[in-house]
Amino acid sequence: GNSVTQMEGPVTLSEEAFLTINCTYTATGYPSLFWYVQYPGEGLQLLLKATKADDKGSNKGFEATYRKETTSFHLEKGSVQVSDSAVYFCALSRGFGNEKLTFGTGTRLTIIP
Amino acid sequence: AAGVIQSPRHLIKEKRETATLKCYPIPRHDTVYWYQQGPGQDPQFLISFYEKMQSDKGSIPDRFSAQQFSDYHSELNMSSLELGDSALYFCASSRGGVNTEAFFGQGTRLTVV
Repeated sequence: GNSVTQMEGPVTLSEEAFLTINCTYTATGYPSLFWYVQYPGEGLQLLLKATKADDKGSNKGFEATYRKETTSFHLEKGSVQVSDSAVYFCALSRGFGNEKLTFGTGTRLTIIP
Repeated sequence: AAGVIQSPRHLIKEKRETATLKCYPIPRHDTVYWYQQGPGQDPQFLISFYEKMQSDKGSIPDRFSAQQFSDYHSELNMSSLELGDSALYFCASSRGGVNTEAFFGQGTRLTVV
């Protein structure tokens, strides 16, 4: 079945540091890949997505590239801010309409001033 | 823009009681998904509906049932509640089509005491 393996947390970084959160997946076919962010006490918000190999999703300075050869979708940001502190979930769906999401275990990110 | 509305936001029930969670999808969204997120866990898919018919089923206990109504809102009914049912329950909605994005509500926090 489909699965997502995500970098263990928690991760603590200083403001303006470079961020990488690793995500690899196992899936048949051509899944769509997502990064969701969950702020304290909030629901899940879509941060970025990619629907086919070599696509790069980007939003709010975050980027992730769909790498089919390494089955990876690592999240990166060049300079993190305190406001980026949250839990980040990598997820996949089977890549066609109305499909459930399979999530990774989440990575708690804390940015210190 | 309208978002996914879940009610109630918080719910406290005693063991063996029944709870009903409601979800109002974004207008013109025809698909609803339910997820359960235990403390410190990733969201786990429970069940989904497309055009008022069950479209997929995950790890939903037999004590739980759900349906989608003619106005596309959905209800998750949980009976014989157990302490282990304490979790954040998310509803998400999407519009039919390929690689469509699911939008999440803020969740209902259920505490069973």
